[in-house]
Amino acid sequence: AQSVSQHNHHVILSEAASLELGCNYSYGGTVNLFWYVQYPGQHLQLLLKYFSGDPLVKGIKGFEAEFIKSKFSFNLRKPSVQWSDTAEYFCAVNALNNNDMRFGAGTRLTVKP
Amino acid sequence: DTEVTQTPKHLVMGMTNKKSLKCEQHMGHRAMYWYKQKAKKPPELMFVYSYEKLSINESVPSRFSPECPNSSLLNLHLHALQPEDSALYLCASSQWGITDTQYFGPGTRLTVL
Repeated sequence: AQSVSQHNHHVILSEAASLELGCNYSYGGTVNLFWYVQYPGQHLQLLLKYFSGDPLVKGIKGFEAEFIKSKFSFNLRKPSVQWSDTAEYFCAVNALNNNDMRFGAGTRLTVKP
Repeated sequence: DTEVTQTPKHLVMGMTNKKSLKCEQHMGHRAMYWYKQKAKKPPELMFVYSYEKLSINESVPSRFSPECPNSSLLNLHLHALQPEDSALYLCASSQWGITDTQYFGPGTRLTVL
């Protein structure tokens, strides 16, 4: 069965710092990869997703993620965070042709103004 | 309209009660989902409906019974729940299937006494 690991449980950064959140998955086949975000008091919403093609994916609000197949990773990055990026970030994996979606444990990001 | 609505927002029930959670979307999506999220844990997929047909059941106990009356509505019927079933229950929908962007509702906070 597929599983998803997010090693950073809580990350604290100052504004303008660069961000990288790790996501690793365990599944040997083809996968679809997602990053969802939950801002305080709001619903889960999609940041970006990767299905195929260019392994560097750009999402909303200046976020991007890179799929590295050899490392089973899909790390999320942002060059310069803002206070408004404070939120919980979830990585999720769907194995191709498998009607399942697995979320990582989430990483709480706190950005200090 | 990219909104998924869920009612009620909060529900407290005893172990002998029967209650239902409701979810609605008017985006024309043909896939709908129920997730369970315990505190400080990721969402866990419970049920997937695709074209009003149940296509997956993640080994969820029979005390949870999903129903999809039409393509816009999704219910979760609850009966004889246990205190450990207390959680946030999230509904989501997507255009066609699980690989599409999922739009999440705000959830129903369920407490079982």
